[in-house]
Amino acid sequence: QVQLMQSGAEVKKPGASVTVSCKASGYTFTASYMHWMRQAPGQGLEWMGRINPSSGVTNYLQKFQGRVTMTRDTSINTVYMEVRSLRYDDTAVYYCARGRTEDLADWGQGTLVTVSS
Amino acid sequence: QSALTQPRSVSGSPGQSVTISCTGTSSDVGAYTYVSWYQHHPGKAPTLMIYDVIRRPSGVPDRFSGSKSDNTASLTISGLQAEDEADYYCCSYAGSYTLIFGGGTKLTVL
Repeated sequence: QVQLMQSGAEVKKPGASVTVSCKASGYTFTASYMHWMRQAPGQGLEWMGRINPSSGVTNYLQKFQGRVTMTRDTSINTVYMEVRSLRYDDTAVYYCARGRTEDLADWGQGTLVTVSS
Repeated sequence: QSALTQPRSVSGSPGQSVTISCTGTSSDVGAYTYVSWYQHHPGKAPTLMIYDVIRRPSGVPDRFSGSKSDNTASLTISGLQAEDEADYYCCSYAGSYTLIFGGGTKLTVL
C-alpha cells in the first residue's frame, strides 16, 4: 500500500532554515505529484505547493515564492521541502501528500516544526 | 487568495444527517469539478473522503456524499456515528496548478 514517511520533528531559531523529507513507497514515485501543506496551531490546513517528481517542476502558493523550495531525489523516492528565513508563525505541522488529479489521496504522518529562540 | 468559507462548527445526534458547506468563488469552486473533502482527527493524518465533487474513494462509507451548486460545495454525512466526530476540510483547484483549502469545520456528534 502507499506509504509516505516524513522526517522527524525539528526545532529551529528564527531566521534559520529547515528541510523536511518525505519518502514514498507502494506506488510509482514519478507518476504522481507530491503536495505540501501545513497546519499552524489552532489553524486550518494551508496548501503550500507541489512538485512533479518526474520533471522536478514546481508550483508554489504565491506567499511562499522565494522562501520555499521543493526538490526530489528519484533514486530514493524522496521529496524535500526547504523553508528559509523561518519566522515564529512558521511553527506548524507540515504534511506531504500524494496527488492524483486535483485531490490528495495519501498523506504523510506530519512533521512538527517549531520556531523558537 | 482567501481560504474557502466553511462554518466553524456543526453538530448532530447519532443517526441524524449534517451538511457542511464550502463557499468559494467563480475562480475556484465555481470554475472546476475538482472539489475534495478531508476528515482530520487531531494528531492523525487527514483522510480523503470525497473527490471530484461527488466521488468516494474505496473504503469510504456511502454515508458520505458530496455535491456542488455554483460557487458552493457541500459534504453531507447521513446516519451520524460517534467516530465521525472530527474536523472536515474542503479543498478546491484554483487554477494555475494551485489548490485552496477551506478554514475547516469541527463536527460534534452529540
